[in-house]
Amino acid sequence: EVQLVESGGGLVQPGGSLRLSCAASGFTFIHYAMSWVRQAPGKGLEWVSAISGSGGTTYYADSVKGRFTISRDNSKNTVYLQINSLRAEDSAIYYCAKTDSTAFYYFDPFEVWGQGTMVTVSS
Amino acid sequence: QSALTQPPSASGPPGQSVTISCTGTSSDVGGYNYVSWYQQHLGKAPKVMIYEVSKRPSGVPDRFSGSKSGNTASLTVSGLQAEDEADYYCSSYAGYNVVFGGGTKLTVL
Repeated sequence: EVQLVESGGGLVQPGGSLRLSCAASGFTFIHYAMSWVRQAPGKGLEWVSAISGSGGTTYYADSVKGRFTISRDNSKNTVYLQINSLRAEDSAIYYCAKTDSTAFYYFDPFEVWGQGTMVTVSS
Repeated sequence: QSALTQPPSASGPPGQSVTISCTGTSSDVGGYNYVSWYQQHLGKAPKVMIYEVSKRPSGVPDRFSGSKSGNTASLTVSGLQAEDEADYYCSSYAGYNVVFGGGTKLTVL
């Protein structure tokens, strides 16, 4: 069974940092691009970042460029999201999601999602 | 403010059909046949129900169908069932970006 399990969320002060993790199982991890999508409380979904299967290419939404860094460790079947200089508007549930290609294509649907990890930015 | 516009709510009795709209521009919905629809039950992760405007992933009931006309995409749920009650989000390729709608809460009366 394909499974994604996020962790690392929590309460952090404005300007702080967190590293989110997403552990994958049930598929050949290196063969698939991975993304992070977030959902602010009571709001819609927002794509945040993506990384190719090899880890060689990364992609970011303009709203997080320069503050967030996506990476992956294919030996651990895990994708990470380092989030720095946190702002109140970054408060959200962060989901990792799998697409069906090794390269990341913006038009690929997110076919599998994890349960999410909550990030709250507040003083 | 979401890039794609969806009605905040929709409803229908069991057995009826309901259609949810998703309006964008020629730079997203109208420009490409890459619209997806996601179902999200309360407190759960989203699940893809439709991709590439009208294709259904394996396991999704054929009661769910998608279409597009101009800058507006639509999701139709036929033969409504209680388990269809959820939030539904559309998304579209937007040229080196993927954008989502604000979501529609579907209530089965």
